[in-house]
Amino acid sequence: EAGVAQSPRYKIIEKRQSVAFWCNPISGHATLYWYQQILGQGPKLLIQFQNNGVVDDSQLPKDRFSAERLKGVDSTLKIQPAKLEDSAVYLCASSRRETQYFGPGTRLLVL
Amino acid sequence: GQQVMQIPQYQHVQEGEDFTTYCNSSTTLSNIQWYKQRPGGHPVFLIQLVKSGEVKKQKRLTFQFGEAKKNSSLHITATQTTDVGTYFCAGRWSGGSNYKLTFGKGTLLTVNP
Repeated sequence: EAGVAQSPRYKIIEKRQSVAFWCNPISGHATLYWYQQILGQGPKLLIQFQNNGVVDDSQLPKDRFSAERLKGVDSTLKIQPAKLEDSAVYLCASSRRETQYFGPGTRLLVL
Repeated sequence: GQQVMQIPQYQHVQEGEDFTTYCNSSTTLSNIQWYKQRPGGHPVFLIQLVKSGEVKKQKRLTFQFGEAKKNSSLHITATQTTDVGTYFCAGRWSGGSNYKLTFGKGTLLTVNP
């Protein structure tokens, strides 16, 4: 079974620029999550999708972050404009039930 | 908001020594999961505990869920260098959105060979 795929793996941008991350979950997993992991901390949930609907986006900074999962499979997370404090690893995870399977993450550095 | 507190933040041991990390919630959990993240890697699911007082073992790893379902621990017997990484607990509470997990800050384990 293929794992969760994410791209790009690394991204360096300047503040105020835009960036987008892509995630392809494990086939058949209805639930998809985007997490932000700052160095030395645990993953923080940004948004959770059930199929193509948003279940929880209470911690998503909606003035600059957006995410979509239009066909209930792949998902994109966008930051516009980026701030220095957005430097982190952005992890995508998917689940069929309660166990979450994480992708390798995208390491974002904002200069 | 609901959160889980993990201690210690760091633990350095000699190979062969035991290791324990603790996770606490101020309110009753529905269930708790444990994940391991190797340096530079991503979190990998280890186990889920659901029942009050539950104890589960995976080879040298022992996981416990407290009677009140407010705390949990992970104990590693006779650590090996392959145990190096950050161990996270992640809690779920009743009434939360389906399958939403809140992660602790993790315990970073380093092992001196």
